[in-house]
Amino acid sequence: GEDVEQSLFLSVREGDSSVINCTYTDSSSTYLYWYKQEPGAGLQLLTYIFSNMDMKQDQRLTVLLNKKDKHLSLRIADTQTGDSAIYFCAESSWEGFQKLVFGTGTRLLVSP
Amino acid sequence: GAVVSQHPSWVICKSGTSVKIECRSLDFQATTMFWYRQFPKQSLMLMATSNEGSKATYEQGVEKDKFLINHASLTLSTLTVTSAHPEDSSFYICSAPPGRSYNEQFFGPGTRLTVL
Repeated sequence: GEDVEQSLFLSVREGDSSVINCTYTDSSSTYLYWYKQEPGAGLQLLTYIFSNMDMKQDQRLTVLLNKKDKHLSLRIADTQTGDSAIYFCAESSWEGFQKLVFGTGTRLLVSP
Repeated sequence: GAVVSQHPSWVICKSGTSVKIECRSLDFQATTMFWYRQFPKQSLMLMATSNEGSKATYEQGVEKDKFLINHASLTLSTLTVTSAHPEDSSFYICSAPPGRSYNEQFFGPGTRLTVL
């Protein structure tokens, strides 16, 4: 089955860039997503990328996709304390188009 | 963006009782909704797909008699945890794609269930 892996923890200082990495195994993935979860809250979609793209930029967020290596990353520029949260990558595939498989989550801690 | 609500936001119950959790799409119709559970410091695991007007589709390992899903209208799906036990304590989250925009889902804020 599908497997999506992330590093568990990342700590950065305010103003630095953060890079959160994700690897997946399903080669038929069509969309790859990044979600943010704050304590006790549901998920907020940050951005997504179609599998035939290799980069997408949205304000402070840059998504890079290396389809050959099945590697996805999320870069947050000028990280702020309000960016502290858990970040999940997720993938969906044609077989279950709307069904998402989530990664293990990366806890980002931004210190002043 | 589209809004999905859940009720209640948290619930504490005694072992053996049943608990119903509601998921509503507030400003769009959803023929499909998804139910996830999340254990502390873990990822979201898809439990089932709720289909309006038909039976839910459960993921492997999820007991359909334990987790009853009813999608009676285009804006409401309910998850009932029957005869709850402490191991059912978890964070339950629903999501819904807004109509034909299949590349995006909107998530509810979640319901924290604690079974004593």
